[in-house]
Amino acid sequence: GAGVSQSPSNKVTEKGKDVELRCDPISGHTALYWYRQSLGQGLEFLIYFQGNSAPDKSGLPSDRFSAERTGGSVSTLTIQRTQQEDSAVYLCASSLLAGVNEQFFGPGTRLTVL
Amino acid sequence: GDSVTQMEGPVTLSEEAFLTINCTYTATGYPSLFWYVQYPGEGLQLLLKATKADDKGSNKGFEATYRKETTSFHLEKGSVQVSDSAVYFCALIMKTSYDKVIFGPGTSLSVIP
Repeated sequence: GAGVSQSPSNKVTEKGKDVELRCDPISGHTALYWYRQSLGQGLEFLIYFQGNSAPDKSGLPSDRFSAERTGGSVSTLTIQRTQQEDSAVYLCASSLLAGVNEQFFGPGTRLTVL
Repeated sequence: GDSVTQMEGPVTLSEEAFLTINCTYTATGYPSLFWYVQYPGEGLQLLLKATKADDKGSNKGFEATYRKETTSFHLEKGSVQVSDSAVYFCALIMKTSYDKVIFGPGTSLSVIP
């Protein structure tokens, strides 16, 4: 079956603009995760969804970042008023259930803020 | 807080050499431990995992043993190939807090013929 897909694969935006990043998890996976991968910061956990709810949003770096998940499937990560330090690869992963189940990662969205 | 430390590299080895990538963790409880691999231009893939002390995870010739006494999960392979060139991430998940996935900084490995 299809894996985790993300769109767009690349996004270049100007400082101050808003961006939306999309993640389509594997069908039937109830848990969905967002990560950020940037030079010097490694892989940073952002937020986790179980179904449509996010029990813990403390990983989001600022209030400019928000995420939602609807219908227990697709998730959108929104970054408002983008800054240059937001430039990174944003990765999405899903797993059948939260916990020690394997997380399957998407190819990522490379965001560049000019 | 909980954390993962690993040698950052880059590590360069000749084909058929022995590989060790060190990983140690700090955790308040007993986490599950993972190694993920990211090949050039590809997404992260789970390489192996261990969920309790003394468990050994293995896959594709790679092995790692969960050592509670040394809080370590070192990755080893007896004979590396050029195709093993990738970035390797050690990670942990606390069983009591499934949303907290913590990755190490990653170790870049280059294997030369």
